[in-house]
Amino acid sequence: EAGVAQSPRYKIIEKRQSVAFWCNPISGHATLYWYQQILGQGPKLLIQFQNNGVVDDSQLPKDRFSAERLKGVDSTLKIQPAKLEDSAVYLCASRPLAGRSYEQYFGPGTRLTVT
Amino acid sequence: EDKVVQSPLSLVVHEGDTVTLNCSYEVTNFRSLLWYKQEKKAPTFLFMLTSSGIEKKSGRLSSILDKKELFSILNITATQTGDSAIYLCAAPSNAGGTSYGKLTFGQGTILTVHP
Repeated sequence: EAGVAQSPRYKIIEKRQSVAFWCNPISGHATLYWYQQILGQGPKLLIQFQNNGVVDDSQLPKDRFSAERLKGVDSTLKIQPAKLEDSAVYLCASRPLAGRSYEQYFGPGTRLTVT
Repeated sequence: EDKVVQSPLSLVVHEGDTVTLNCSYEVTNFRSLLWYKQEKKAPTFLFMLTSSGIEKKSGRLSSILDKKELFSILNITATQTGDSAIYLCAAPSNAGGTSYGKLTFGQGTILTVHP
């Protein structure tokens, strides 16, 4: 079974530029999550999709961050314009809808450096 | 607001030592607690604990949950350099009435095992 794919793996941009990250979840997983992990901290949820609908975006800075999941499969997360404090690893995770396990499957992450 | 706290934040040991990592939680409608290992890539799932007092074991790793005192521990015996990683604990959060398994993470414990 292929895992969660993310690209790019690394990105360096200057502040005020824009950037986009891509995630392809495990086939058949209805739920998709984007997390932000700042160095020295645990991952923090940015947005959660159920199929192509948003379930929770309460911690997404909507003035600069946006995300979509067209057709309920792939997802993109965009930052525009980026700030220095956006430097972090952005993790995508997925989980099947059915079942009692809360295990989420994580991708390798995109390390963003804003200079 | 749901909260997960880990201790210690970092730990340095020598190969062969035994370590105990701690995780305490305050979560509304607690369902389970998960442990992940994070090296320089995606967090990988270790355990999910639902019932108090039942130890889960995988090789040299074991974990147990105490729902009365609201904490979990992760033990690693006979540590090896390959155990060096960040260990994260997390709890599914039902805040806002959703039941889709958003994870609230602790800040992680950085374990370094020297030869």
